[in-house]
Amino acid sequence: GESVGLHLPTLSVQEGDNSIINCAYSNSASDYFIWYKQESGKGPQFIIDIRSNMDKRQGQRVTVLLNKTVKHLSLQIAATQPGDSAVYFCAENWDTGNQFYFGTGTSLTVIP
Amino acid sequence: NAGVTQTPKFQVLKTGQSMTLQCAQDMNHEYMSWYRQDPGMGLRLIHYSVGAGITDQGEVPNGYNVSRSTTEDFPLRLLSAAPSQTSVYFCASSYAGITDTQYFGPGTRLTVL
Repeated sequence: GESVGLHLPTLSVQEGDNSIINCAYSNSASDYFIWYKQESGKGPQFIIDIRSNMDKRQGQRVTVLLNKTVKHLSLQIAATQPGDSAVYFCAENWDTGNQFYFGTGTSLTVIP
Repeated sequence: NAGVTQTPKFQVLKTGQSMTLQCAQDMNHEYMSWYRQDPGMGLRLIHYSVGAGITDQGEVPNGYNVSRSTTEDFPLRLLSAAPSQTSVYFCASSYAGITDTQYFGPGTRLTVL
């Protein structure tokens, strides 16, 4: 199947700065994307999603950008806090199939 | 609501042993699924169910069986454990389907010796 990849496996940011986590996907037919946050020892937690008919979606302190031309997805976290330290995964779905394909994850560390 | 619960939290098996990982949700969700998470890899779907009595295979179903006799429960069975099944297993549920928000359980860490 298609794979979902992340550009950077680790990211360290200063508290209060903005964070940008990137994701590349290879299946041009993907039409639904989700970002998950996974804290140590816990299951993934939904952050935000976006469909392919949109190029930007905003949530509370988070924004997801979708660039279908280059098959790229990014997650922006504003004013990063220590509680944002976690592994972040993107996942893609296509043809409304009953499964998502997950990327390998980016580990975000927030430096106080 | 307890959300999605999984038992046990940790388990060690010997090669060839069988066991069942339990998953339950109290949110009346129709869709339930099992994933495994290995170091350096994303979550991979093992099996899923779109409702009681209906199950289907995901990306990596070999070596695992599931059943869905009730809406609440979705157990995952390993019939003959192999070291390659050492992993962290997550159960997830969502209200109606894959595009609804999925809620994940806390995971079961399984080691097969």
